Amino acid sequence: NAGVTQTPKFRVLKTGQSMTLLCAQDMNHEYMYWYRQDPGMGLRLIHYSVGEGTTAKGEVPDGYNVSRLKKQNFLLGLESAAPSQTSVYFCASSYEGTPTGELFFGEGSRLTVL
Amino acid sequence: AQKITQTQPGMFVQEKEAVTLDCTYDTSDPSYGLFWYKQPSSGEMIFLIYQGSYDQQNATEGRYSLNFQKARKSANLVISASQLGDSAMYFCAMREALYNFNKFYFGSGTKLNVKP
Repeated sequence: NAGVTQTPKFRVLKTGQSMTLLCAQDMNHEYMYWYRQDPGMGLRLIHYSVGEGTTAKGEVPDGYNVSRLKKQNFLLGLESAAPSQTSVYFCASSYEGTPTGELFFGEGSRLTVL
Repeated sequence: AQKITQTQPGMFVQEKEAVTLDCTYDTSDPSYGLFWYKQPSSGEMIFLIYQGSYDQQNATEGRYSLNFQKARKSANLVISASQLGDSAMYFCAMREALYNFNKFYFGSGTKLNVKP
């Protein structure tokens, strides 16, 4: 049972390059999220989705775009990477049908922008 | 205003002793959930415990308990009989169910070090 899978796990970009992080979940969860984790700042919500075809902005959406064309996939795009986007990115999903509705996380993707 | 505040960037505890990690939250949503996650040095996020805003009793999961004081808006994690494997970052999180449908907010974390 894979759960939440993120690709790639590591990536180094130059300033101005673009890239897409892919998140896939096999649990049929309705809700999906992208967070970034920076030292001393915890996890901050970038964008999230409450269902296929829907997305919404989180706390720190600038410089990122997302799409959820299929229920199981949530893509995070950086159109023109900046050094400030160097971070560890976590995808997560959740489902109201569980007693607690907790977030299930991917393993994280470490992105470095030079 | 921050939704989740963890005021202890780092803490030390002796093995086999109990430790309390502080968490306060801010919400006007009447329906919310509180969570604690553990992040070991390997980086994965591990769900530990959950408390619903309408739950009357404090949540417990093995050696973990959540000291929920609703009027004070605090949700402290208590780890009893600390083990070396408890050394990790701990994050408090809140989900607002009504006003911000299913958005999760995280605190800045507390790094716990368990000393032998």
